[in-house]
Amino acid sequence: KQEVTQIPAALSVPEGENLVLNCSFTDSAIYNLQWFRQDPGKGLTSLLLIQSSQREQTSGRLNASLDKSSGRSTLYIAASQPGDSATYLCAVNTGGFKTIFGAGTRLFVKA
Amino acid sequence: EAGVVQSPRYKIIEKKQPVAFWCNPISGHNTLYWYRQNLGQGPELLIRYENEEAVDDSQLPKDRFSAERLKGVDSTLKIQPAELGDSAVYLCASSLGSPGLASIEQFFGPGTRLTVL
Repeated sequence: KQEVTQIPAALSVPEGENLVLNCSFTDSAIYNLQWFRQDPGKGLTSLLLIQSSQREQTSGRLNASLDKSSGRSTLYIAASQPGDSATYLCAVNTGGFKTIFGAGTRLFVKA
Repeated sequence: EAGVVQSPRYKIIEKKQPVAFWCNPISGHNTLYWYRQNLGQGPELLIRYENEEAVDDSQLPKDRFSAERLKGVDSTLKIQPAELGDSAVYLCASSLGSPGLASIEQFFGPGTRLTVL
């Protein structure tokens, strides 16, 4: 059974700092991995999608990497801003067409 | 282009009452998902539709939950009767194609926050 873990559960950093959020999964047989952002009381906003054949994807200040063999993905946020404060969730699409989410990392960027 | 639309955004009901949630996916998206998100956790899939067919409802508590997607467009999720433990955010998502394809990206609506008293 696929399990997705995100570490840390919460993170507080000063503005301008570069940071890394981690996502690990137990079964490497995935179709893709998607990173989402969720603001309080809101739905999920898709940030990046990495297909199983890809190693990384970039969008603006965000860079996501995927290492299927080790069951890991990282989301790198450069020059963090207070507006980046949110919960970041990773989700893997796995065998049986299941989408399994991690519990998320709550990020707080201090001005 | 309009995103995934859900209504209502908030619902407060007493236990044992029925409740229904509505979702309209992104135009042209044939796959629709209903998720439940408990506080502090990631979403968990309840049911997935491909067009009007429910292809994965293994996590749907069928004794009290039901869903339909008539005409393969919008969808309704119903709970009857509601229990205290049903308090959660119910999220609808859609995608162009099934999640078995590597390029498939899911897009989410704002969710319905249900409180059962």
